[in-house]
Order: sequence, then structure tokens, then C-alpha cells
Amino acid sequence: EVQLAESGGDLVQPGGSLRLSCAASGFTFSTYTMNWVRQAPGKGLEWVSYTSTSSSTIYYADSVKGRFTISRDNAKNSLYLQMNSLRDEDTAVYYCARDAYYYAYWGQGTLVTVSS
Amino acid sequence: EIVMTQSPATLSVSPGERATLSCRASQSVSNNLAWYQQKPGQAPRLLIYDTSTRATGIPARFSGSGSGTEFTLTISSLQSEDFALYYCQQYNNWPRTFGQGTKVEIK
Repeated sequence: EVQLAESGGDLVQPGGSLRLSCAASGFTFSTYTMNWVRQAPGKGLEWVSYTSTSSSTIYYADSVKGRFTISRDNAKNSLYLQMNSLRDEDTAVYYCARDAYYYAYWGQGTLVTVSS
Repeated sequence: EIVMTQSPATLSVSPGERATLSCRASQSVSNNLAWYQQKPGQAPRLLIYDTSTRATGIPARFSGSGSGTEFTLTISSLQSEDFALYYCQQYNNWPRTFGQGTKVEIK
């Protein structure tokens, strides 16, 4: 069974940093592309970032470009999102999601709250 | 960036009735369109991909149609568990973009 489990969400002050993790199991992690998708409270879904299997191709939404860094460790079956210079508008539940096109598998999400 | 616009924002439907949700893309996305269902406190669930292909385990009452810029999700006979939020998503271009959602509520 495919499972994705996010962790690392927390309350952080504006300008601060946070690192999210996504632990994958039930499939061969190294052969699948991965994404981060977020959802602000009461709002819709926003794709954040994508990484190819070997991290050779990476994309970011304009809203996070230059502040967030996606990475993966295929040996640890893990996906990461390093978030720097956090802003109020980054407050959201962050989901990791598998695959490059549509997302058949999602984690349960981890809440990031940016507030002073 | 391709903007996805869903209508209506809220759809009030009685159980057993048909629901028709619309999604419009600001430019052609070919048939690279997915639909998701989301319930409060849960992650989205993939319903439809490639415009009209049901994901694994999705009941036949859910169907998708369209191409280019105009797409439709139809729920043929609403069950109690279908009252939820629905999102469309294009994957023809980067960045991937979602519609703002349609809430299907009990009439």
C-alpha cells in the first residue's frame, strides 16, 4: 500500500525557516517523481514544487521561487521542502503528492503557521 | 500560467439527483485534466484523470468529459458521501494549476 507521511509543520515567525519531510513507503520511491502542494486555511489547492526522480529537473511556483528548496533522498525514501524567509501567506497545510501529472497519492498533510 | 475557473462556486443538489460541475481553462490543456474530491480535514482524492478516465476504485456514477478549454464532471445520482468540494487541475503545462473549487451541498 502506498503511504506518504508528512512531518515538520510548526508555528514559525515571519522571516523564519522550516524544513518539511515526507516519508514514503509501499512503492519504489526512487522511480517516482514527487511534488509539494499546499492549501491555505479555507482556500483552494496550490501546487508548490516538483522534483524528478534524480532531482535533475525541479520546478517551483513563482510564489515560492528563491525561498523554498525541494530535495529528496532516495536512499531514505524521503522528500523534503526547505522553506526560508517565510511569510504570512505561506500559512497552509502542506501535502506531498506522487507523480508528475495528476496526483493519485497524497499524504495527510502537515500544518505550517507563519505568525508573530 | 493557465488559469482554471470552476463554476458554480456552490451547487445545491438533492440526493439522487444529477450534479454537473464545470471547469474552464484560460488556454487549451488538451485532455490533460484531472478532478479531485476533498472532504473536510482530508487530503484530496483523485476521481478522474485524462479528462474522462476514472481512477482506481471510483464509482461509475462519476464521469468526466470535455477537451481543450471546457470540461465537465458529472455525478449521475448523488449519494450522501458525494457532498464535498471538487477541484479540477490541468497538467498540460507548468505550473500545474487548480481551479478554485466547487462545493456540492445538500439541497
